[in-house]
Amino acid sequence: QKEVEQNSGPLSVPEGAIASLNCTYSDRGSQSFFWYRQYSGKSPELIMSIYSNGDKEDGRFTAQLNKASQYVSLLIRDSQPSDSATYLCAVRRLGAGGTSYGKLTFGQGTILTVHP
Amino acid sequence: GAVVSQHPSRVICKSGTSVKIECRSLDFQATTMFWYRQFPKQSLMLMATSNEGSKATYEQGVEKDKFLINHASLTLSTLTVTSAHPEDSSFYICSAINWQSYEQYFGPGTRLTVT
Repeated sequence: QKEVEQNSGPLSVPEGAIASLNCTYSDRGSQSFFWYRQYSGKSPELIMSIYSNGDKEDGRFTAQLNKASQYVSLLIRDSQPSDSATYLCAVRRLGAGGTSYGKLTFGQGTILTVHP
Repeated sequence: GAVVSQHPSRVICKSGTSVKIECRSLDFQATTMFWYRQFPKQSLMLMATSNEGSKATYEQGVEKDKFLINHASLTLSTLTVTSAHPEDSSFYICSAINWQSYEQYFGPGTRLTVT
């Protein structure tokens, strides 16, 4: 089982729709959760961070975390063609010490396509 | 928001030469920085963790004598690819943790081509 799993997609949604991206993780010690967006040929860009159970909203983006189910999701409302990218889910286990301290573990990414 | 910069953004070098890539955190002090490599259509691969004032920690399979990392200040880490070969051609990306927000930001990346 992979440490962080995402559906690789591609996920295709029409412009204006809600895009729902999902991520599960295996390490119950994970404490920090992030969503990054990566356009082709570019580096990842941080969209959302979430640390406690529940929802966190920022503009058109909502991150949801359920630690009991080891599940984190990202909702994109009013999807735009410019949202077409690969979305990376990342988790971090703080306080593990040694070489893993602060290190992010990434999912393989979900390719999102928003068509006009 | 927080910004991490990298220089150069693109470099072409001849086989056998060395290339230095700089990574700077512009908005916060970064005691911890990371270096990643990404080949086309593949996932990010962590190469090493760089801690200010101490030796870098390399991931398994990454040659520490080939990829030299220096993190001499709270805002600057450098990666030197020594004796570069065509197989080292890749997209190198640094990132830094802002320990006030616990968020990790990526630089824009450096595309290295070794001829």
